[in-house]
Amino acid sequence: QPQLKESGPGLVKPSETLSLTCTVSGGSIRTDNNFWGWIRQPPGKGLEWIGSLYYSGTTYYNPSLRSRVSISGDTSKNQFSLKLSSATAADTAVYYCAWDPGDYWFASWGQGTLVTVSS
Amino acid sequence: EIVLTQSPVTLSLSPGERATLSCRASQSIYSYLAWYQQKPGQAPRLLISDASNRATGIPARFSGSQSGTDFTLTISSLEPEDFAVYYCQQRSTWPLTFGGGTKVEIK
Repeated sequence: QPQLKESGPGLVKPSETLSLTCTVSGGSIRTDNNFWGWIRQPPGKGLEWIGSLYYSGTTYYNPSLRSRVSISGDTSKNQFSLKLSSATAADTAVYYCAWDPGDYWFASWGQGTLVTVSS
Repeated sequence: EIVLTQSPVTLSLSPGERATLSCRASQSIYSYLAWYQQKPGQAPRLLISDASNRATGIPARFSGSQSGTDFTLTISSLEPEDFAVYYCQQRSTWPLTFGGGTKVEIK
């Protein structure tokens, strides 16, 4: 199974763009039928799917975030990224990147990174 | 959007006891349901996919079943390491959605 690791700023100011990168090892983001997803978890709360990147480059987003979210891949670095614009305190959460081998289940997860939106 | 309702919110049991966790879908999701386990400070771990298929390396004491839109995760005999929060997730329809979680705590 691939290993994943999130990276990016731990503090974002309100109204700015939250940007995170997931570095993949032990697998390729170009592997046929694989999805690469982002999931978040506000402190003390449950899991929310943000969106997924298909190996072909097609993206799928949660409608609740679609107007603010963008997920893209960099095959040269074997990374995929999340951008969430117009951040508010409600976006404060642990953000996870995860691997889906093609059956829509997240079989491998990164360790997660806490992003706080505050001035 | 498909809503998954998990119950109970908290389950207080002793090691060795049987745990029965429920996840109800707001509409038919066929068998497209997974269960994850999450321990404090850790990422979720996939336990069960497609309602009843154990993921690689998951002990046999974990099992999943389905009756219509009602799904059950059973832990036959709780081990100390099983005390955690459990989430269900559906993949029948975009967006992918998770249930609110059930915390299995030591009684």
